[in-house]
Amino acid sequence: ETGVTQTPRHLVMGMTNKKSLKCEQHLGHNAMYWYKQSAKKPLELMFVYNFKEQTENNSVPSRFSPECPNSSHLFLHLHTLQPEDSALYLCASSQERRTLNSYTFGSGTRLTVV
Amino acid sequence: AQKVTQAQTEISVVEKEDVTLDCVYETRDTTYYLFWYKQPPSGELVFLIRRNSFDEQNEISGRYSWNFQKSTSSFNFTITASQVVDSAVYFCALSGGDYKLSFGAGTTVTVRA
Repeated sequence: ETGVTQTPRHLVMGMTNKKSLKCEQHLGHNAMYWYKQSAKKPLELMFVYNFKEQTENNSVPSRFSPECPNSSHLFLHLHTLQPEDSALYLCASSQERRTLNSYTFGSGTRLTVV
Repeated sequence: AQKVTQAQTEISVVEKEDVTLDCVYETRDTTYYLFWYKQPPSGELVFLIRRNSFDEQNEISGRYSWNFQKSTSSFNFTITASQVVDSAVYFCALSGGDYKLSFGAGTTVTVRA
């Protein structure tokens, strides 16, 4: 059982829907990340939170909106997505941002936009 | 800028064969970490190994071994006597002075019984 839990595992949504992805970790980590994994492409870092503060946004479209209410929880709010946003969204955590620690990844949410 | 290249997109082997996955990286940092992750069909990325830039000792863990060569900027991964359970996508990654984890495109390994 991974130390990072993501829900839901699968999500199908229409382009006009609003949905949220949830990530939870109880590893005592202070940094959390959202990655996007599209077919045949390297993992793309989307957002970074360190001690609940967003420290990085890698030019992600505003239709993706992250939220980090505390160090254990991370959300990704989705609205008016496009079919090309279909991908596996992975959450990860590490002890804190500015260390070269290993990351712990969740199992991901497989998102399909129809 | 950092870059990780995994030139092999897919590798297919028969059980008990050895398989080597190539990883070449680029970085201007003198201190950095290299990683290998395994992604089974279930989706999660499973950490396999971390190696820092000052430690060029090769490492063996069971059927897994890693060869780090700074001179060629390579960090290759070998699975000895492969098993069907080794079928997965394997990612090489690099983290340097910007503390970002940059991934290669991954190599899909299929082990046939």
